[in-house]
Amino acid sequence: NAGVTQTPKFRILKIGQSMTLQCTQDMNHNYMYWYRQDPGMGLKLIYYSVGAGITDKGEVPNGYNVSRSTTEDFPLRLELAAPSQTSVYFCASSYSKDESPLHFGNGTRLTVT
Amino acid sequence: QKEVEQNSGPLSVPEGAIASLNCTYSDRGSQSFFWYRQYSGKSPELIMFIYSNGDKEDGRFTAQLNKASQYVSLLIRDSQPSDSATYLCAAWGPGSARQLTFGSGTQLTVLP
Repeated sequence: NAGVTQTPKFRILKIGQSMTLQCTQDMNHNYMYWYRQDPGMGLKLIYYSVGAGITDKGEVPNGYNVSRSTTEDFPLRLELAAPSQTSVYFCASSYSKDESPLHFGNGTRLTVT
Repeated sequence: QKEVEQNSGPLSVPEGAIASLNCTYSDRGSQSFFWYRQYSGKSPELIMFIYSNGDKEDGRFTAQLNKASQYVSLLIRDSQPSDSATYLCAAWGPGSARQLTFGSGTQLTVLP
């Protein structure tokens, strides 16, 4: 099992560019999440999904979009990148809630200049 | 009020000592709690989970849960320099809430 796989590991964007952060999991998990973590700070939830075709906003959704067409994949789209989106992005998944822990991918380090 | 609060730290302990990390939660309906360890530049990794009142031990780690006081703690015995990391407490919201809420983390340094 690969677990949760994120690509790319690193990316530098210019202001105004767009990109998609990829996330895939092979654990047949229903719940998937996108977090961002700024230096020295905690995790902030961007978007989450409880199943294919279902997505919902988290704490900091502005400037991002998601889709969930399959159980395995949960890409995060950045439109019109801004310096404030410079961060480390983590994708995570869990089977459900309550007694299910989150499993994290290795993260994508994004710099917008 | 933040739903999950942790001592912001940083916390320093000498090698071999017991490190005590604390977490409180505001929603009395929360039922399950997790401790994650995050090394600098890495992703969080699960180290303990606890669902019932009392203590749960796993090697050098002990998680403690007191639902009446809405308090979760993590004890690390015989602390090692390799335990130096940020520790995140997390709780599932109750009922229909579908987000695992994380505290802001406590940075632990174990001094050789």
